[in-house]
Amino acid sequence: DAGITQSPRHKVTETGTPVTLRCHQTENHRYMYWYRQDPGHGLRLIHYSYGVKDTDKGEVSDGYSVSRSKTEDFLLTLESATSSQTSVYFCAIRAEGRADTQYFGPGTRLTVL
Amino acid sequence: AQSVTQLDSQVPVFEEAPVELRCNYSSSVSVYLFWYVQYPNQGLQLLLKYLSGSTLVESINGFEAEFNKSQTSFHLRKPSVHISDTAENFCAVSEGYNFNKFYFGSGTKLNVKP
Repeated sequence: DAGITQSPRHKVTETGTPVTLRCHQTENHRYMYWYRQDPGHGLRLIHYSYGVKDTDKGEVSDGYSVSRSKTEDFLLTLESATSSQTSVYFCAIRAEGRADTQYFGPGTRLTVL
Repeated sequence: AQSVTQLDSQVPVFEEAPVELRCNYSSSVSVYLFWYVQYPNQGLQLLLKYLSGSTLVESINGFEAEFNKSQTSFHLRKPSVHISDTAENFCAVSEGYNFNKFYFGSGTKLNVKP
């Protein structure tokens, strides 16, 4: 357990509305990640952060933005949600003191109607 | 970029039978290999990992995986499964020291039947 929480855990929203998902960690890890999980695709990296205000894109970043103003919080924003963004979103941290393994939060199930 | 292939989307098996979940990756460059397990409605948990050293790695609940560089594989095995092993299992690969890029397979659902 790496002290990762995600909020909300479930959300239903309508197409075109903005949505922000929050990832919070308690162990001061530098690296944080956002993935989406879809059937048949496994997990795909959306964005990651390597420090406060330092972020970079993953393989499926279109339609998503992120922010990290504090070490413990990493926010994922869908500026204008679309039905194709219906998914389960996982946050992860990289435990640099534990062989760089990634540890995952419990996930947020997002449904865009 | 790596691609990770888990050919079996589902593996049904009876309790106490042996099981193998297959994982192949595309590149033979230096890689680190992981298996994660996801129980229903939960996040992913690390099951085991290979970073270096012995090519056979084990988990605390009886699973093992063997790194085979020539076949670019990292198959997961257990000699005798339990009902509680029912879960989705994901193979993941990171290239060398680039731990920011984890490539996941599409997952294999292990379904243990009584």
